[in-house]
Amino acid sequence: GQQVMQIPQYQHVQEGEDFTTYCNSSTTLSNIQWYKQRPGGHPVFLIQLVKSGEVKKQKRLTFQFGEAKKNSSLHITATQTTDVGTYFCAGPGDSSYKLIFGSGTRLLVRP
Amino acid sequence: EADIYQTPRYLVIGTGKKITLECSQTMGHDKMYWYQQDPGMELHLIHYSYGVNSTEKGDLSSESTVSRIRTEHFPLTLESARPSHTSQYLCASRPTGLNQPQHFGDGTRLSIL
Repeated sequence: GQQVMQIPQYQHVQEGEDFTTYCNSSTTLSNIQWYKQRPGGHPVFLIQLVKSGEVKKQKRLTFQFGEAKKNSSLHITATQTTDVGTYFCAGPGDSSYKLIFGSGTRLLVRP
Repeated sequence: EADIYQTPRYLVIGTGKKITLECSQTMGHDKMYWYQQDPGMELHLIHYSYGVNSTEKGDLSSESTVSRIRTEHFPLTLESARPSHTSQYLCASRPTGLNQPQHFGDGTRLSIL
C-alpha cells in the first residue's frame, strides 16, 4: 500500500540553527499538506503544496514540493523555541478524502 | 481556529468498561475522521465518515465502532475497554472539496487500567 515516510525521526538543535525535515512518498501525490503538533496538542494545518516544484514560504518556514511530486521538504531558518513540536507531512490516500500521514519529525530546540 | 470539540479530554477507567468518546463540529463538514496516536508517534486512521449514515474502517484495525447519525456528531465507542486501548484519540473534520485541510480536536487521552 501507499506509504509516506519522513526523516529524520527527531532532531535536537541549538536555537538559531536551521532545521529540515524530508518527506517521501511511494507514489506520486496530487498534493501534500504539512501539519505541526505542539507537545500535548493536536495537529494544526500549516500549508498545502499542489504544483510540481512548488516553493512556498511562511516567515522562517520554507516548504518545497519535488519535481516528480513524490517528495517534499520543510526547512526552518534560525529556529526558535516556539518551533518545538512534531512536523507531519500528509498526502492523499486511496481516496482523495483520506490523508496518509508521515511518521513525523520531532523537533527539539535548546535555548 | 476550527470549531471541533472532543470530550472527555482525559479518561482513566477500568478494564471491561464501555466507553464512548464524543466528537462534535459546528462547521457543517461532511467528512469526519478518528485517529489513534501514541505519544510522540504517528497518526493512525481508525475510522472515517463521508456523511450521515456513512462510516468506514480506516487503515489501522481497531476494536472500536463509530456512528454518524447527525452531520455534526461522530462518536467512537469501545464496548469493553482493555489496557491495549490506552492511547490518544484525535477527531478531525474537513469540508467537502478536493485537497481541503483537516481540522483536529484537542483529543481524548484514554488510559485503561
